[in-house]
Amino acid sequence: QVHLVESGGGVVQPGRSLRVSCAASGFIFSTYAMHWVRQAPGKGLEWVAVISFDGNHKYYADSVRGRFTISRDISNNTLYLQMNTLRPEDTAVYFCTRANWVVSYAFDIWGQGTMVTVSS
Amino acid sequence: DIVMTQTPLSLSVTPGQPASISCKSSQSLLNSDGRTNLYWYVQRPGQSPQLLISEVSYRFSGVPDRFSGSGSGTDFTLKISRVEAEDVGVYSCMQSAQLPYSFGQGTKLEIK
Repeated sequence: QVHLVESGGGVVQPGRSLRVSCAASGFIFSTYAMHWVRQAPGKGLEWVAVISFDGNHKYYADSVRGRFTISRDISNNTLYLQMNTLRPEDTAVYFCTRANWVVSYAFDIWGQGTMVTVSS
Repeated sequence: DIVMTQTPLSLSVTPGQPASISCKSSQSLLNSDGRTNLYWYVQRPGQSPQLLISEVSYRFSGVPDRFSGSGSGTDFTLKISRVEAEDVGVYSCMQSAQLPYSFGQGTKLEIK
């Protein structure tokens, strides 16, 4: 079965760093572009970042560019989001998701999400 | 950046009745390859988002045929022909025609 499982969330003070992970299983991880999407409490979905299947291309939302870094480790089928200089407005559930070319690169598989709380 | 605007932001529907959600983009979502990169997702209470429809009108595997998508250019619609209790959730459109990708605000569907 195809699975994405996020981990690494928690409570962190403003200005500090945190790295969240997404473990992929059940599919050939190295052949899919992967995305991070977040959802602040009570709010809608916000696209955060994308990394190409080979890791050579990355793009970020304006709200996180320069502070967040998306990466992937094909050897252990894991997607990462390194979050630096965190702000209270980064508080959200962070979802990883797969873009599947079979359905026009729609996000067909989502993880359960990991909660990140930025608070002093 | 492309802004996605959904209306209404909430709706309450009697089971068996239809429902319709509008999604408008600030720029055309038609790509040079002829595809329109507009998707619909639903987030049921306590769950992660799920794909409903890709490329305006293609239902994802397992999505009931009471769900349909239509539209072109900048105006899109998600319709539920006969709402059922299990359809409760927040419905969001998303564009991937241009980076950064963007979602609509979400429409909360409740059952009367």
